[in-house]
Amino acid sequence: NAGVMQNPRHLVRRRGQEARLRCSPMKGHSHVYWYRQLPEEGLKFMVYLQKENIIDESGMPKERFSAEFPKEGPSILRIQQVVRGDSAAYFCASSPPEGKAYEQYFGPGTRLTVT
Amino acid sequence: GDSVTQMEGPVTLSEEAFLTINCTYTATGYPSLFWYVQYPGEGLQLLLKATKADDKGSNKGFEATYRKETTSFHLEKGSVQVSDSAVYFCALTLNTGNQFYFGTGTSLTVIP
Repeated sequence: NAGVMQNPRHLVRRRGQEARLRCSPMKGHSHVYWYRQLPEEGLKFMVYLQKENIIDESGMPKERFSAEFPKEGPSILRIQQVVRGDSAAYFCASSPPEGKAYEQYFGPGTRLTVT
Repeated sequence: GDSVTQMEGPVTLSEEAFLTINCTYTATGYPSLFWYVQYPGEGLQLLLKATKADDKGSNKGFEATYRKETTSFHLEKGSVQVSDSAVYFCALTLNTGNQFYFGTGTSLTVIP
């Protein structure tokens, strides 16, 4: 059973470009969470999604950031017009339909570098 | 609000030394507590967890006990190895919530 997959593992973007980060949850999991880890900091919750629904986006920056989890395909975290401060590691986690928050399994992360 | 405070690093120990990394928490409900480990260039791996007061989580020689009276979940290992060098994160989640709250991480380096 493959774990949570994220791609790309490393992404370099110039300021002003768009970044698209993908997350494929574990098989059978229908809940996805995105976290951001800034340099020298812990992970901070961004958004919680179920298939086709955003359940909690209380940690998402108000502008330029969006997330989706379509009926088919991976969850996408999209950052428009990236700035240097967006450089961070972005982690995705997934949990089963009947699971609680503590049953989240984390992916390896995408390291975004904005030049 | 809900939060986790953990001991700042970096921590450097000699092989076979005793390890303690302190973690305390603030929670509005009844949290579950976790330790995650992050090896260089990798994602988070669950090290151990405890879901109710007085539970002890253990794995790979690491232990932590959920202490409600002191709101703590300190990580310990009796004899560290070079391969334990990593960043350790304490985290909590509320059974009624959807997200994890992480500490800032403690970097551990074990030297031969």
